Order: sequence, then C-alpha cells, then structure tokens
Amino acid sequence: GAVVSQHPSRVICKSGTSVKIECRSLDFQATTMFWYRQFPKQSLMLMATSNEGSKATYEQGVEKDKFLINHASLTLSTLTVTSAHPEDSSFYICSARGGGKGGSRSYNSPLHFGNGTRLTVT
Amino acid sequence: QKEVEQDPGPLSVPEGAIVSLNCTYSNSAFQYFMWYRQYSRKGPELLMYTYSSGNKEDGRFTAQVDKSSKYISLFIRDSQPSDSATYLCAMRETSGSRLTFGEGTQLTVNP
Repeated sequence: GAVVSQHPSRVICKSGTSVKIECRSLDFQATTMFWYRQFPKQSLMLMATSNEGSKATYEQGVEKDKFLINHASLTLSTLTVTSAHPEDSSFYICSARGGGKGGSRSYNSPLHFGNGTRLTVT
Repeated sequence: QKEVEQDPGPLSVPEGAIVSLNCTYSNSAFQYFMWYRQYSRKGPELLMYTYSSGNKEDGRFTAQVDKSSKYISLFIRDSQPSDSATYLCAMRETSGSRLTFGEGTQLTVNP
C-alpha cells in the first residue's frame, strides 16, 4: 500500500529558531500533499494544501509566513515553522493522496498519512 | 453545528466484544467516506474507504454508509486489545479533495 514517510518524528527547539519537517511519498508520486496540526485529544486541523510546483494554499487563520511550505518534487513536501514559539508546540502530520484505483494522480484516491512530528518549543 | 459529529467516547469494551463506532454528517454532498485508526503519537492509518451508500467488509472490520440518514458506522468484530486506539471518521465531496474529520472516538479493548 501507499506509504508516506515523515521526518523527524520528534523535535525540541528553542523559541525563535526554525524547524523543518519533511514529508515523502515513498512508493507513489503525489502532486498534492496536505499538512495538518493536531492538539491532544482533538481531531486533525488542516493547515494547508501543498501543490507540486506551485504555491501552497493556506486555510483561514494559518499564517503563511510562519508556516512555509515547499513542494519541490512529486515525492517531497516540507513544512518549515519559522521563529517558533511555545504556542507552536503541537503534533504536525502530513498526508498525500495516492495508491488508489487510477494511480497517484487519481482525484479519488484515499489519503495516506505520515506518522507525524511532535514539535516542542521551549 | 459541525459538519461531522462523532462521539469522542471514551469507549471501553472487553476483548471479543463487537464494537460499533458511528458518525453523522450534515453535508449531503459527501460521497467518499473513510475510517482511520490512530494509535497514540502516530499518524492516522487508513482502515476503510467507501464510496456512496452500502457496506464494505475487510476482515474483522465492516463499514456501513447510509446516505439517506447521513450516518456511517464502523463495526469491529472479535475486538482485540491491539484495536485500542482512536478511530476517526472522515469524508469528502466528489469534486473536492478536502477531508472533513470527526473528532475521533477513543476505544480501549480490555484483555
């Protein structure tokens, strides 16, 4: 089945520094990847949609200058949390659509998720 | 009113029990329905993926979709302690790619 790899799984950084999180689709090409944020015992909140070769689309209330997204290839999207603050501490999860009928570019393929990155800003 | 409603639980059952997890929704345009399982500190794992109304079975798992009632269910037969996790329903419209999630139900299967 489709596999999405996310790295690192856990990161601790100091306030004011930047952190980059990578999301890779391992066995399929993903033109679209999604970045979510999840607080404890809450559901996933979509932050942005990452499109290969173009600018990401951010959800309302998400600061695009703070959460920089780059989708430079069909298998890699990165999320950079710039000038991190303690309130940015959260579980960040990426996902990619692929592995369904019609191949990775199928609009109706299911979403597969990475294992998440737990960010702690001290 | 939320687009997708899911009882957060927690739900605790003995090993071997049949578990029923449910979501209701208000958007009649939803056509694709999914159930994800999420273990603590892990990303969601796709369990079931169905289109429109009907049933789908995969091993001990059965997903049901009733579009007329805007109600979906996931049944787990012969539940195991390893099934202890949070179960998230998710759905999306035919023409859109955005997933709308339920809040997740925390399930504990006791040995």
